[in-house]
Amino acid sequence: EIVLTQSPGTLSLSPGERATLSCRASQSVSSSYLAWYQQKPGQAPRLLIYGASSRATGIPDRFSGSGSGTDFTLTISRLEPEDFAVYYCQQYAGSTYSFGQGTKLEIK
Amino acid sequence: QVHLVESGGGVVQPGGSLRLSCAASGFTFSSYGMHWVRQAPGKGLEWVTFIRYDGNNIYQADSVKGRFTISRDNSKNTLYLQMNSLTAEDTAVYYCAKDLTGYGNFDYWGQGTLVTVSS
Repeated sequence: EIVLTQSPGTLSLSPGERATLSCRASQSVSSSYLAWYQQKPGQAPRLLIYGASSRATGIPDRFSGSGSGTDFTLTISRLEPEDFAVYYCQQYAGSTYSFGQGTKLEIK
Repeated sequence: QVHLVESGGGVVQPGGSLRLSCAASGFTFSSYGMHWVRQAPGKGLEWVTFIRYDGNNIYQADSVKGRFTISRDNSKNTLYLQMNSLTAEDTAVYYCAKDLTGYGNFDYWGQGTLVTVSS
C-alpha cells in the first residue's frame, strides 16, 4: 500500500501570502492518479487538482499542482480568506486508494 | 448539476448492521464508478470501497473486507453500502463520491451521513 505523507501538519500564513503544501509518497505514483482536495469544517471535501496539475471545474487559477514520482506540491499563489481549510492529497494505484493525513492551513 | 445525497446513518450497537444509500442525480449514473469514503470524528479521510459503473468490479480497503458490501441499482440511480459486524472504529461520516474516470480521483461528493457505533 502506498503511504502519503503531507507536510507541514499545520501552516500559518496571512491572506495575500503564498502557500506551499507538500505530499510525499512511499513509492512512485503515476502523476495521472494524484489529486488534491480542500475541506472546510462541516463540509464535504472538494476536488481542487487532479492528474497532479489539472484544475478541477470552477477552481480559481491561484491553485496549482506540480510534481512527479514521489514528490508533489500544491501551491496557492495568493491566499484569500476562504482558502483557510484542511488540504488532502490522494492517490490511486491498481485497486487501492489512499489519502495523506492532511495539512491544516490556518490564518496567522 | 451533480447531486449526491446519502441517507441511512444513525446509532447502532457494536456487532450490528446498517445499510447506507446514496441517491444520485445530474449525471448518467450508470456510466460512472462510485466510491464510499469515510471520516472518523476529528480525523482524516479514509477510502472504503469502489464499484465499477456496471457493478462488475469491486475494490475494498482491508479494514472493511468481509464486513462491508458495496452495490448499486442503476435503474434507481442509487448506490448502497451494507455494513455488518460494526465496531467502534467504524464510527465516522460516510461520504459517497463519484469517480473521475481515468484518474482514480473523486470529483463530486455527497454531504455525508454519520454512523455511530456505540452501546
